[in-house]
Amino acid sequence: SQQGEEDPQALSIQEGENATMNCSYKTSINNLQWYRQNSGRGLVHLILIRSNKREKHSGRLRVTLDTSKKSSSLLITASRAADTASYFCATAWTGGFKTIFGAGTRLFVKA
Amino acid sequence: EPEVTQTPSHQVTQMGQEVILRCVPISNHLYFYWYRQILGQKVEFLVSFYNNEISEKSEIFDDQFSVERPDGSNFTLKIRSTKLEDSAMYFCASSDGVSNQPQHFGDGTRLSIL
Repeated sequence: SQQGEEDPQALSIQEGENATMNCSYKTSINNLQWYRQNSGRGLVHLILIRSNKREKHSGRLRVTLDTSKKSSSLLITASRAADTASYFCATAWTGGFKTIFGAGTRLFVKA
Repeated sequence: EPEVTQTPSHQVTQMGQEVILRCVPISNHLYFYWYRQILGQKVEFLVSFYNNEISEKSEIFDDQFSVERPDGSNFTLKIRSTKLEDSAMYFCASSDGVSNQPQHFGDGTRLSIL
């Protein structure tokens, strides 16, 4: 089954450092998305990268996608304490309505 | 900014009872979804809904579950004969397209089955 899996499971860094999270999946996709979830809240969409793209930037976020390796990475530069949250990758394939979420990376940014 | 709203925020129900979770998607969105997140686990897709019918569902979404869009604004998830293992956060989401469009999530309903 198509599935996104992130690593690391947890990441603790100092404010100002960069945070990198990785995601792997198993089947062909139409796009890959990253979401953030603060404790007790819903998921917030961060960025979407289409399968024909290799890299995308949005503010302090940089996403890469390697379809040959079925993997993606999310880089958060100059992290802030407010970036503390869980981050999930999610995949969807052409013609499908189903979005599959990974298990997430818990990021803790220390002030 | 428009948002997806879910009610109630917390629902406590006796095992075997029926519950209805309610969602108001973003008004111009056409695609609606329900997800479940058991405590400490990943977000799981339950069902998608478009044009007044289910467009896709997961193996979790069995006969115990049903969805409905009773009017132009609400989108509901009904769970019949609730079981202890139905305890989870249930998230509603909506989008204005199915391909390459982000989904907008509500803050969820925490369902506790006693």
